[in-house]
Amino acid sequence: RKEVEQDPGPFNVPEGATVAFNCTYSNSASQSFFWYRQDCRKEPKLLMSVYSSGNEDGRFTAQLNRASQYISLLIRDSKLSDSATYLCAGRRTGKLIFGQGTTLQVKP
Amino acid sequence: DGGITQSPKYLFRKEGQNVTLSCEQNLNHDAMYWYRQDPGQGLRLIYYSQIVNDFQKGDIAEGYSVSREKKESFPLTVTSAQKNPTAFYLCASSTTGTGKDEQYFGPGTRLTVT
Repeated sequence: RKEVEQDPGPFNVPEGATVAFNCTYSNSASQSFFWYRQDCRKEPKLLMSVYSSGNEDGRFTAQLNRASQYISLLIRDSKLSDSATYLCAGRRTGKLIFGQGTTLQVKP
Repeated sequence: DGGITQSPKYLFRKEGQNVTLSCEQNLNHDAMYWYRQDPGQGLRLIYYSQIVNDFQKGDIAEGYSVSREKKESFPLTVTSAQKNPTAFYLCASSTTGTGKDEQYFGPGTRLTVT
């Protein structure tokens, strides 16, 4: 079992929809979590950091459930420009462990 | 401008040759990291360094080597011992010890070995 797992998708949603991704982690020692956005053939860009129970930034909300060992990313009012791959990562002893990413395609 | 630079953007080499990828940052970050990404995959950690003159192996260090002689620089050498070197290589950096250790990435180098 991978330490950080994501459903690769793709998630195909219409513009304006609300979409949620889950990311499960197996190591309870993971201290903090991150969501990155990666466009095709580009580097990952930090989207949100999750140090406690959750974080919200505009249309994006991340929540951490330590009891069930998952973090989620909710995107409200999806835009065409939200189409990308979303990577989650957990921090453990000075390094990040990444999931394989979830692909989102927002359609007009 | 503060940031992380990687060069070159594309690199082509023949099998059996060693190649060194450059990574420089001017963010005054203590820690630096090298990842490899294969198509449709997440990032796998090759090496990381939390302080000058010290570095640790990541999950897939075999066939790679690094040095950290300066805080700003963390070059990665892909040796001929690496069986499948063709990949997208990403360098990242972060602060340490602050509790807000977000990693920021450079633009990456696409290495093709034939």
